[in-house]
Formats: sequence, structure tokens, C-alpha cells
Amino acid sequence: AQKVTQAQTEISVVEKEDVTLDCVYETRDTTYYLFWYKQPPSGELVFLIRRNSFDEQNEISGRYSWNFQKSTSSFNFTITASQVVDSAVYFCALSEATGRRALTFGSGTRLQVQP
Amino acid sequence: DAGITQSPRHKVTETGTPVTLRCHQTENHRYMYWYRQDPGHGLRLIHYSYGVKDTDKGEVSDGYSVSRSKTEDFLLTLESATSSQTSVYFCAISEGGISLNEKLFFGSGTQLSVL
Repeated sequence: AQKVTQAQTEISVVEKEDVTLDCVYETRDTTYYLFWYKQPPSGELVFLIRRNSFDEQNEISGRYSWNFQKSTSSFNFTITASQVVDSAVYFCALSEATGRRALTFGSGTRLQVQP
Repeated sequence: DAGITQSPRHKVTETGTPVTLRCHQTENHRYMYWYRQDPGHGLRLIHYSYGVKDTDKGEVSDGYSVSRSKTEDFLLTLESATSSQTSVYFCAISEGGISLNEKLFFGSGTQLSVL
């Protein structure tokens, strides 16, 4: 069975601070896919990134960066110079490569960025 | 944005009554999913569909049934609603399944309260 653990339930930072959201996953599959989604206070789920298990390159997109490490089964998300608009719940998710191809989500991390 | 419409957006019902939630897509995507979101649990898969009349169970399927008679519509039915089914329900779609470099697009959610 697959499992995603986001141990940080809630994080509070002050604007312009850097913050890292942790994600640890478990799977027996050799091929799998990892995702991050953002859920702002309005409630919709916004796709941020997809990473394939065979591609361990880290990725940077503006103030966002992702560190994928298969050796520790982690896929951490860093926001540099956080802004109030980054306040949201962030979900890490894992998908199998075959079968139902659905996402297994972590419980989410609520990020509050104070002005 | 992906063309996904969930209806109703909000519903209050009484214990023991049947409830049907509708997910409608205009993308002609093959895969459709129903998730529920609860505090501390993230999103959990209820049922999914991989084609017309092809459905299967997720992790939390007890008390729910689904139907897909057309590509564009995926219905979730609570046969006899219970208070434990109070939740936010999200529909998601995917063109070919995650393994084909896809991501899930989510609807706006349905807030269901069972009193």
C-alpha cells in the first residue's frame, strides 16, 4: 500500500522568510509519480508540480523549488521569500504507475504567512 | 482551467436520506475520481472510473455508490446519508491516467452537511 506523510500540520512564518514543507512517501512500486497541490482559502486545488520517480533532478520555478531524494523517500517543497499569498494548505501526493492511477494524498500542511 | 463542474456546491441533508452529487466534465477525459476531504486526512479516494460503465472502489467506498453512463458525467450517491459523511467532496479528471504524464484536475468541491 502507498502512504504519504506530511508531519508538519501547521507552519507559521513571517513574510520574506524561507520555508520548507516536508513530504515522505512509501511505495513498493519502482515507477511512481509525486505531486504537490496548493489549496488556498478559497478551497480549490491547484496543481504545482509533478515529478516522475526516474527523474531525480530538482526543480525550481520562481520562488518555488522541490528537492526529490529517492534514497530517503522524500519530496520536499521550499518557498523562498514567502509572501502572504502563499498562505494555503499544501498537499503532497503519490500515484502508482499502473492500475487505478489515482493519487494518494498526505494530510496536508497549513502554511500561514504573516505580514 | 479544466472544464469540471460539480453540483450542488453546497447541500444540507438529514441522516437517512439519499444524496446524489454530480460531476460534469467537458474535456472528454477517460478517468474520473471522487475524493472526500476531511481535517487531518487530506483527500481520500472514494471511487473512480476508467471509462463509461467502468468503475471501481477506493479506500473509503463504504456507504457510497457511483455510476457513469456517459463520458462526461460521474455521479456519487450516498444511499442513506450518515453524519460521518459530512465532508467536502471533490471530483477529479485525468485524460489517460497518471502514468501518461497526466495530472489530476479538480472540481471546485461540494460541501455536504448531514444533520
